[in-house]
Parts: sequence; structure tokens; C-alpha cells
Amino acid sequence: DTAVSQTPKYLVTQMGNDKSIKCEQNLGHDTMYWYKQDSKKFLKIMFSYNNKELIINETVPNRFSPKSPDKAHLNLHINSLELGDSAVYFCASSPGDSNQPQHFGDGTRLSIL
Amino acid sequence: GENVEQHPSTLSVQEGDSAVIKCTYSDSASNYFPWYKQELGKRPQLIIDIRSNVGEKKDQRIAVTLNKTAKHFSLHITETQPEDSAVYFCAASYGNQFYFGTGTSLTVIP
Repeated sequence: DTAVSQTPKYLVTQMGNDKSIKCEQNLGHDTMYWYKQDSKKFLKIMFSYNNKELIINETVPNRFSPKSPDKAHLNLHINSLELGDSAVYFCASSPGDSNQPQHFGDGTRLSIL
Repeated sequence: GENVEQHPSTLSVQEGDSAVIKCTYSDSASNYFPWYKQELGKRPQLIIDIRSNVGEKKDQRIAVTLNKTAKHFSLHITETQPEDSAVYFCAASYGNQFYFGTGTSLTVIP
């Protein structure tokens, strides 16, 4: 069983569209994250949720809106997609306690035409 | 907030040689330091971690050292193999917050 699963794996869409990426974890973790990895390979934190509550919201345009229906899911909605949104988006989870690692999903490669 | 710096950004070594990647952090509250390996097109995967009450940890060919006073930690890979080629990320963490370095692209030349 995949611990952290993201769908879709690939997403190709036109500029200006609205899209969603789903993430689910079956590890019983309390904290979930979204990262953006651009062509330079930097892992940039976007959002972090702990038990469905937002705890980190880095300087991300408000076109990006995370939604956590329960602590096992953290979905990412993106409105009015722009060329600069092209990247790989990784979902991750962690127990939320100190000294425990994050587990990453396989990533969603978003390409804007 | 925490700031993690990682060096070098790229590293090429001959197969069988050792590779060392260094990271520094700024926040003394950080108490957990994982290292991730990311192969091309794959997700980052934990390869080793160290907690603040330990100075060194080893797992086969991989070792990590931590100097809390100087706020730096390092990854050491001995007897490198072509399959070690990947991007490596260090991170510093406290609670459920993780701060990543900018990554090191390691190439092992056969």
C-alpha cells in the first residue's frame, strides 16, 4: 500500500484553467504538507496542516487554496493557472511530533501550455 | 525563522571515492536533522537522520555528523557507487516544521 498517494501523477493544462491535486495518507499522521519543486530542484514549502488546521502558509499566491476535509487528506486547488506554476508538486506527511521524518508522495508534474 | 544552507550544489566523484555534503542551520531550537535522497523523476526518500542528542550516526556506507555548537551537520558517503547518483537534501526540524537545504546534485563517475 502506498503511504502517501497523490493524483494525478501528470497534469497538462492550458493557462487560465482551474485544477486540483489530491493527496491522501494512510499512515495516521497528524501533519500534511504541500511542496513545490521547480526546475532548479528547490523544495519550497507552500502549506502545512496539522489536524485539518493551517499552520504554515508561505508566500503563495491566493490562487492556491489548500483544503483538508480530514487529517488524512490535503488537496490543493489552483485557480487561473499561470506559466510559472509549471513544476512538480509534492505532498508529504509527518506524525507531527518532534524527531520524526516526513514521508513524500510520488509528486504531480504540472505543465502549463 | 530557520535558514538552512547546503554546500556544494553539485559534486562529482569517482566511483569508490567518498562524498561529503555539508549543511548549516540558524535556529538553535532545531533538534532533528533528516537527509533525503531524490533520484531523477522520483520522490525524496529518507536515507538517514540524526537527533540533537547524538553526535554521529552510521548506516553501512552512509554516516551523518552533527555539531550543535557550530550549528552544522554533514552527510558522508563512502565507497560511492553509480547508484548513489542523485540529489541529496538536508533538513532541519523542530516540532512539525521542516526547513530544507537547496540540494546537492551528486554524480558518481564509473
